[in-house]
Amino acid sequence: AQSVTQLGSHVSVSEGALVLLRCNYSSSVPPYLFWYVQYPNQGLQLLLKYTTGATLVKGINGFEAEFKKSETSFHLTKPSAHMSDAAEYFCAVNLNNNDMRFGAGTRLTVKP
Amino acid sequence: GAGVSQSPSNKVTEKGKDVELRCDPISGHTALYWYRQSLGQGLEFLIYFQGNSAPDKSGLPSDRFSAERTGGSVSTLTIQRTQQEDSAVYLCASSLSRDYNSPLHFGNGTRLTVT
Repeated sequence: AQSVTQLGSHVSVSEGALVLLRCNYSSSVPPYLFWYVQYPNQGLQLLLKYTTGATLVKGINGFEAEFKKSETSFHLTKPSAHMSDAAEYFCAVNLNNNDMRFGAGTRLTVKP
Repeated sequence: GAGVSQSPSNKVTEKGKDVELRCDPISGHTALYWYRQSLGQGLEFLIYFQGNSAPDKSGLPSDRFSAERTGGSVSTLTIQRTQQEDSAVYLCASSLSRDYNSPLHFGNGTRLTVT
């Protein structure tokens, strides 16, 4: 069963525009949630993670994500896109047993 | 300290040959994962090792794929009788098992090309 769904395999924004990458999870218990980023020709690196408590999580490079239990969502946002943000973004869920599953990824393109 | 190390970084093999991919996790990380990333695709879960427990092999696509982890450290992913559809980047990651909030640390992957 799919545990993580990322809506939109490809998102294109203009430089300076809002970035919104969507992630929904399916779990009967609150999972641990992560966003990873993969820059061209590089490995995956952690962008941010959700811990219990604060639902708004801030990560590196100005990105943040909000955990909404009622919507089973963990969307990633950035107020103003930069050319260097062009990359593949993966949402991931740890189903409380260290079984980490990833979404299909969203490729972000930033237009000048 | 050293991160997750994978070898080789690139492997070209002929269809029908067997290949072995190696992963050295971060020292002290008891959880180890293998994923496959095909061109334009996301990460496909293959197998997961957690300490001395039986591995979760539910993601292995066929019986041509197998993996082992010796001594709770180094892991080897073996693909027998390779097919062209096996061409992909194979990623290994490790994490601390005692903290479910612990992120994965990825290696740079092995790019496998089956000709």
